[in-house]
Amino acid sequence: AQSVTQLGSHVSVSEGALVLLRCNYSSSVPPYLFWYVQYPNQGLQLLLKYTSAATLVKGINGFEAEFKKSETSFHLTKPSAHMSDAAEYFCAVRLNAGNNRKLIWGLGTSLAVNP
Amino acid sequence: GAVVSQHPSWVICKSGTSVKIECRSLDFQATTMFWYRQFPKQSLMLMATSNEGSKATYEQGVEKDKFLINHASLTLSTLTVTSAHPEDSSFYICSARDPSRSHNEQFFGPGTRLTVL
Repeated sequence: AQSVTQLGSHVSVSEGALVLLRCNYSSSVPPYLFWYVQYPNQGLQLLLKYTSAATLVKGINGFEAEFKKSETSFHLTKPSAHMSDAAEYFCAVRLNAGNNRKLIWGLGTSLAVNP
Repeated sequence: GAVVSQHPSWVICKSGTSVKIECRSLDFQATTMFWYRQFPKQSLMLMATSNEGSKATYEQGVEKDKFLINHASLTLSTLTVTSAHPEDSSFYICSARDPSRSHNEQFFGPGTRLTVL
């Protein structure tokens, strides 16, 4: 069965500091992995996705993530945090069996950016 | 890019009434749409998968008679919360899968905040 674990429900960084949000997955088959961002009272926006091409994936807003098969990880990083990055971040793995392609979600990490 | 809209963005209703939430794919045809529920400070919980022209597939523990889903066209799916009660208050989010895109990417609506008094 596929599952996603996000380590740290809350992360706080200073403006300009490195952002690191952790995501580990378990999957019996090569996974597709996603990071989404949710701003308060809004829907979800895709930040980036890994679909078995390049292991280092660049997304929007300066975020990137690296797929590491040996560590079963897909951590999200940004070199320099901005106040506007404060939001909820969700990691997800896609179920590749069947026709519906359901997403399996992590519990989310709330990112706070301090001035 | 693919856009998904939801209407209404928020709704307040009295206990016992029914509320309909619409999810539309604006610039693509979505054979599959997903309905999620999100409680404050929590992750998304998949409620059901909606396929155009067929019955929705509900996740375990979701009452199909309580949450009626209709996917009558390739651009519209509706979720009706019947006889709503305060415990149904939540943020409901839909997503739509665009089969024309690689990896059947899902696009999310902005969500609907339901408050039942």
